[in-house]
Amino acid sequence: NAGVMQNPRHLVRRRGQEARLRCSPMKGHSHVYWYRQLPEEGLKFMVYLQKENIIDESGMPKERFSAEFPKEGPSILRIQQVVRGDSAAYFCASSLSGGAQDTQYFGPGTRLTVL
Amino acid sequence: GESVGLHLPTLSVQEGDNSIINCAYSNSASDYFIWYKQESGKGPQFIIDIRSNMDKRQGQRVTVLLNKTVKHLSLQIAATQPGDSAVYFCAEMYYNQGGKLIFGQGTELSVKP
Repeated sequence: NAGVMQNPRHLVRRRGQEARLRCSPMKGHSHVYWYRQLPEEGLKFMVYLQKENIIDESGMPKERFSAEFPKEGPSILRIQQVVRGDSAAYFCASSLSGGAQDTQYFGPGTRLTVL
Repeated sequence: GESVGLHLPTLSVQEGDNSIINCAYSNSASDYFIWYKQESGKGPQFIIDIRSNMDKRQGQRVTVLLNKTVKHLSLQIAATQPGDSAVYFCAEMYYNQGGKLIFGQGTELSVKP
C-alpha cells in the first residue's frame, strides 16, 4: 500500500526560475492538500483540491503560485519566478473523503532551495 | 538579511519515562484535533486524533486529552523510547473550513537512553 508520494524530494532553483512539485495521493484518495513549512516552524496550509477543482486556496500567495489536480495524473504545485523566500519544505497530504474530520496523510515533502 | 528560525520548545526525557506534550489551540469553534509526529527530513506522521465531543482518547502507548474550557490539548506517551524522538505538532480543524488544518508551533521531544 503506497502512501502519499512526492517528487522530487529535493529541488534547487535559481531566482527567477520555475519550480514544479508533484504529488500522488494514496490509492483511493481524491482529496489533496498542500502545506508549506519554513525551518523550525509548523506547517501552513496553502490549498485544498479535489480532482479538477480547487476547494480552498485561502493560503496561497496571490501571485506566482498555482495548483492543479487534473483528472489523470498527480497534483502539481507550481511556483513561477521563484525568490529566496520560497525556500521551504512543501508537503502534500491526501484524504479519502475530504473536508471536516477526515484524516490527512502526508507525503515525505519536497525541499525547495532557491539560490 | 538572513532569517532566523524560531526555537522550538523542547522536552527531554529519560527512556522509559512518560512524556507529556502540551498544545494550546486558537479557535474555540475547532471541533477536530490531531497529533502528528515529524522526524528529521520526513513528512508528518499521524499519531492520534480526537473530536470535540470527547475529552480523552487512547491509542497504543499514546493518550490525547482535550480541555475545551481552556482550549488545551495534550499528548501523553507512555514508556517513551528513543524512536519517539521527533518534533510533535498539534493541529486543529474547524468544521466550517473543512480540509484546512491549522498547525501549532511544535515541540521537540528528545529521549535519552
